[in-house]
Amino acid sequence: EVQLLESGGGLVQPGGSLRLSCAASGFTFSSHGMSWVRQPPGKGLEWVSGIGASGYSKYYADSVKGRFTISRDNSKSTLFLQVNSLRAEDTAVYYCAKDRAAIVGARGYDYWGQGTLVTVSS
Amino acid sequence: QSALTQPASVSGSPGQSITISCTGTSSDVGGFDYVSWYQQHPGKAPELMIYEVTNRPSGVSNRFSGSKSGNTASLTISGLQAEDEADYYCSSYTSSTSLVFGGGTKLTVL
Repeated sequence: EVQLLESGGGLVQPGGSLRLSCAASGFTFSSHGMSWVRQPPGKGLEWVSGIGASGYSKYYADSVKGRFTISRDNSKSTLFLQVNSLRAEDTAVYYCAKDRAAIVGARGYDYWGQGTLVTVSS
Repeated sequence: QSALTQPASVSGSPGQSITISCTGTSSDVGGFDYVSWYQQHPGKAPELMIYEVTNRPSGVSNRFSGSKSGNTASLTISGLQAEDEADYYCSSYTSSTSLVFGGGTKLTVL
């Protein structure tokens, strides 16, 4: 059974940092692209960042470029998102999502975690 | 990258069919056959319903179908059931930022 378990969210002050993690199991992690998608409270989905299966190719939404860094550890089947210089508008549930293919985003996300809430507030 | 355009809400009675549109540009929806659709119930994670414009993952009802014409993709749900009431999001691969979502459509089953 495929499982994605996010952790690392919480309350942080503007300008602060967090490291989100997504522990994966039930599939060959190193064969699939992975992404982070966020959803502000009461609003729609926003793609944040994606990483190819090997970890070499990385992509970011313009809204987070230069502030967020995606990475993965294929030996531990874990996806990460380092979020820096946080702003109020970054407040959201952050989901990790598994790509159906090795590349990012094109072929759909067939499994999602339950999300971790990041709240940016003073 | 601007979000894809979806109607804010649609509604239908049980047994009827509804269609949700998703309009983009030639740089996303119109340029690639990489449109997906997701269903999200309140408080739950999204679920993949359609990928690559027309394909259904195993386990998804054949009442759900997808299509595309030019820069607009569509999701059709036939034989509406109460359990279909949810938010629906389209997404498309894009040459500039990798992926973009639509703003979401709330489906109400009357």
